[in-house]
Amino acid sequence: QVQLQQWGGGLVKPSETLSLTCGVSGGSLRGYYWSFIRQAPGKGLEWIGEIDHSGSTNRNPSHKRRFTMSVDTSKRQITVSLSSVTAADTAVYYCARRDYDRRYFDLWGRGTLVTVSS
Amino acid sequence: DIVMTQSPATLSVSLGERATLSCRASQSIGSKLAWYQQTPGQPPRLLIYDASTRATGIPARFSGSGSGTEFTLTISSLQSEDFAIYYCQQSNLWPPWTFGQGTKVEI
Repeated sequence: QVQLQQWGGGLVKPSETLSLTCGVSGGSLRGYYWSFIRQAPGKGLEWIGEIDHSGSTNRNPSHKRRFTMSVDTSKRQITVSLSSVTAADTAVYYCARRDYDRRYFDLWGRGTLVTVSS
Repeated sequence: DIVMTQSPATLSVSLGERATLSCRASQSIGSKLAWYQQTPGQPPRLLIYDASTRATGIPARFSGSGSGTEFTLTISSLQSEDFAIYYCQQSNLWPPWTFGQGTKVEI
């Protein structure tokens, strides 16, 4: 059974860079895109970007300059970094999977909370 | 970006009643729409994809319909575990994938 574990986040100071990692257990990275999706407190869902096992990425144009994504196939981990954070980046960050040919997210991690505060 | 608008924001229903949730896209997305359910403290769970196909393990009381710009999620007889927030997501045009703002189904 494929599972997604997430770590990173916590309390981050404004203007710093946060880094979040999603680990895939019980399955392969191949054949899927791996996304990060965030949810600000009491708000809806915002897709940030996605990456596949080869490092091919698609990013939300709204955040393109600040978000970078990378993949480590040997560890089966996906990492997202967000630079110059502000309070508006406070959110629960989820990683989620979608099949190449399908355009919906069928598996989600439990999420990790990021709080931006001085 | 395609803007997804859900209505109502909150839907008050009783156990055993039927619930109808709406989602509208700012432009035609064909049948490329998914629905998710989120309960407090949990990640979203995929319910419906391609507008009307139930995901694996989803009970038959959940059904989706619609195409183009207008979509509906129906829960035929609400159970206690169905009280949650429901989100729609367009899966036609990206980036970015976009979600509606959610409909809260409450007792």
